[in-house]
Amino acid sequence: KQEVTQIPAALSVPEGENLVLNCSFTDSAIYNLQWFRQDPGKGLTSLLLIQSSQREQTSGRLNASLDKSSGRSTLYIAASQPGDSATYLCAVSSNDMRFGAGTRLTVKP
Amino acid sequence: NAGVMQNPRHLVRRRGQEARLRCSPMKGHSHVYWYRQLPEEGLKFMVYLQKENIIDESGMPKERFSAEFPKEGPSILRIQQVVRGDSAAYFCASSQGARGLGTEAFFGQGTRLTVV
Repeated sequence: KQEVTQIPAALSVPEGENLVLNCSFTDSAIYNLQWFRQDPGKGLTSLLLIQSSQREQTSGRLNASLDKSSGRSTLYIAASQPGDSATYLCAVSSNDMRFGAGTRLTVKP
Repeated sequence: NAGVMQNPRHLVRRRGQEARLRCSPMKGHSHVYWYRQLPEEGLKFMVYLQKENIIDESGMPKERFSAEFPKEGPSILRIQQVVRGDSAAYFCASSQGARGLGTEAFFGQGTRLTVV
């Protein structure tokens, strides 16, 4: 059974810092991995989708990497802004889509 | 192209009543997934449906919960005789391709169910 873990559970940084969020999964037989953003009381917004054959994807200040063999993905956020404050979820798709518990990010002005 | 539409956004039910949650997938998507999110927890898979078929309901409680995705109209998640523990945010997602084919899933805004 696929288990998805996200570390840290919460992170607080000053504005402008670069930061890394981590996601690990136990079964490397995956089809893709998605990073989502969730604002309080809101739905999920897809940020990046990495197919199993890919090693990274970039969108603006976001870069996600995937190391399938070691069961790890990282989400790198460059030059963080207060508007980046949210919970970031990673989801791994194999026979189903399983989510980590998320990392709650706070970027202080 | 509107995204995944869920309604209602907020639903309050008394214990013992029925809750019906609706999800209209994105245009062209025939695969629907329901997830439940308890406060301060991640999303837990409940059920995966295609038009008129339940593909995987391994995450659905055996009693009181049911889901359908008819040929016409939205997918419905029904919770009968709700209890306080059913209070959660219920999210629907849709995809164009079948689960396991590496297709991207898009999520709705969720329905927040409160049982009083």
